[in-house]
Amino acid sequence: GNSVTQMEGPVTLSEEAFLTINCTYTATGYPSLFWYVQYPGEGLQLLLKATKADDKGSNKGFEATYRKETTSFHLEKGSVQVSDSAVYFCALLLSNTGNQFYFGTGTSLTVIP
Amino acid sequence: NAGVTQTPKFQVLKTGQSMTLQCAQDMNHEYMSWYRQDPGMGLRLIHYSVGAGITDQGEVPNGYNVSRSTTEDFPLRLLSAAPSQTSVYFCASRDAGTRGNEQFFGPGTRLTVL
Repeated sequence: GNSVTQMEGPVTLSEEAFLTINCTYTATGYPSLFWYVQYPGEGLQLLLKATKADDKGSNKGFEATYRKETTSFHLEKGSVQVSDSAVYFCALLLSNTGNQFYFGTGTSLTVIP
Repeated sequence: NAGVTQTPKFQVLKTGQSMTLQCAQDMNHEYMSWYRQDPGMGLRLIHYSVGAGITDQGEVPNGYNVSRSTTEDFPLRLLSAAPSQTSVYFCASRDAGTRGNEQFFGPGTRLTVL
């Protein structure tokens, strides 16, 4: 079946630390991959995406590379800020499943000054 | 554009009551979806629609009904609320077609069933 597995949280980092949130997927076809971010009390917002193998998505200092060989899409940021505190969701979309996104369980990040 | 709007933001129901969660989008998106978000479980798809008049079940459809009479609106109905339906509900929409189309989310409805 299709599924997304992301690292358990919560994650607590000091400001300016390096961030990695692991995400791996299982898919029956060739998915597009996404990272969404959810700030407290809000809906999800797209952070970045990649639609094919070896693509790198980037936004606001965050990056993730679509690795087909390891079925992974790890999220990284070189220097986190307090404002990055949020819950991060990895997701995949398969074109042959119509509208069905598959989401990971989310990873909560807290950045302390 | 207002994007995806949801009402109400908060709701408390008693077991057995019915209600409708409203969702509307002004981006002329074909696809709309309802998710529920529960701690430790991420987002789970309840129902979705690929266009007006067309709906289908997602992963957890039991206890919920939907209809799509217009492109803009996609209400979610709880027929007889149960405590297990206590959750945060998100509506989302996106364009059909390309593989990388972003899904836009509403702000959510926090529902408590007593």
